[in-house]
Amino acid sequence: ETGVTQSPTHLIKTRGQQVTLRCSSQSGHNTVSWYQQALGQGPQFIFQYYREEENGRGNFPPRFSGLQFPNYSSELNVNALELDDSALYLCASISDSGDTQYFGPGTRLTVL
Amino acid sequence: DAKTTQPNSMESNEEEPVHLPCNHSTISGTDYIHWYRQLPSQGPEYVIHGLTSNVNNRMASLAIAEDRKSSTLILHRATLRDAAVYYCILLKTSYDKVIFGPGTSLSVIP
Repeated sequence: ETGVTQSPTHLIKTRGQQVTLRCSSQSGHNTVSWYQQALGQGPQFIFQYYREEENGRGNFPPRFSGLQFPNYSSELNVNALELDDSALYLCASISDSGDTQYFGPGTRLTVL
Repeated sequence: DAKTTQPNSMESNEEEPVHLPCNHSTISGTDYIHWYRQLPSQGPEYVIHGLTSNVNNRMASLAIAEDRKSSTLILHRATLRDAAVYYCILLKTSYDKVIFGPGTSLSVIP
């Protein structure tokens, strides 16, 4: 039990639509990262937020965007969905004094 | 970013020890060695991490070579619940983006 929750568990969208995925971290965890994991591969870093500001980004296009809120929740938004966006989306949170990242269970997104 | 190399897959019998190797020949002095594992249909789970000295926790032990160019994750008694993909990762701080390689897929045979 990591204390990191994600919703929804599963989601089906069609190409061109927009999607919002949500993550809730533990109190005091001011840093959150998002990852995309395609089937059979390791997770790939999308971006990281600290105290509501983006402070690091991986090799993902601008249609992937995020928000972080003061209540330790965050969102990943993906616009203009493509078939290749089908993946497991993971969030991970870190406390200010922590020494590791704690991952949520993920949201499985299927784009048809 | 310093890279790690792990075997693609390993097998172990249930209740026997498992030694999962990781090579990181380009590790820098400030890189911590972290291990995560990912059970089927779950997010990655932190296992253990260390810098120079061997480390033990309730899940596993981490043995780090004297030159730090390799490390071994040790599961003392493998159970069926330990079947997962194990990732060896180098991080300077816990806030670094985690770069996952393919990891080692561990199968545990009853």
